Amino acid sequence: GENVEQHPSTLSVQEGDSAVIKCTYSDSASNYFPWYKQELGKGPQLIIDIRSNVGEKKDQRIAVTLNKTAKHFSLHITETQPEDSAVYFCAASGWDDKIIFGKGTRLHILP
Amino acid sequence: GAGVSQSPSNKVTEKGKDVELRCDPISGHTALYWYRQSLGQGLEFLIYFQGNSAPDKSGLPSDRFSAERTGGSVSTLTIQRTQQEDSAVYLCASSLAGGPGELFFGEGSRLTVL
Repeated sequence: GENVEQHPSTLSVQEGDSAVIKCTYSDSASNYFPWYKQELGKGPQLIIDIRSNVGEKKDQRIAVTLNKTAKHFSLHITETQPEDSAVYFCAASGWDDKIIFGKGTRLHILP
Repeated sequence: GAGVSQSPSNKVTEKGKDVELRCDPISGHTALYWYRQSLGQGLEFLIYFQGNSAPDKSGLPSDRFSAERTGGSVSTLTIQRTQQEDSAVYLCASSLAGGPGELFFGEGSRLTVL
């Protein structure tokens, strides 16, 4: 089955700097790659997703890149703000629609 | 409400007891997922229901775990003879049909097994 690895587990960046979180997946048939943000005491919420027919997608300060050959995708957050502090999860899904998550990255934005 | 509703929000039980966790998905969502979130372990897939198809149970950790979805809507996750390692937050999510898409999560049921 699908296995998703996520790095780093913890990331601290200065406010205003960029943050990058990286994920790899194992199943070459996977074709849907979402990213979720989880704030304390709440369920995760989708922030951006990408499908395998595109290599990059951007939404304001957030972008995701996908390299299908390397089975690698990344989340980029620019001009980080205090409200970006949260846990971020990447995930992958394929033909069976089962969505498998990475172990998460705790992002701290330092003042 | 319009979101995914889970109950109870907190459950404390003694080792060996059975527990039931309930999930009310968003109306009209045919896909329903259960995940387990333990400290430092991310979101562990447990089970997935899609419409009237047989559920994908491949993530259930042991035969003490089972789940039902009645009438294509409400789902119940049952853990029999609970163990301390079952302590975690159990998250339910629903989504529209038609392939993988956005999951809408509930706020979870926190289970503590003493």
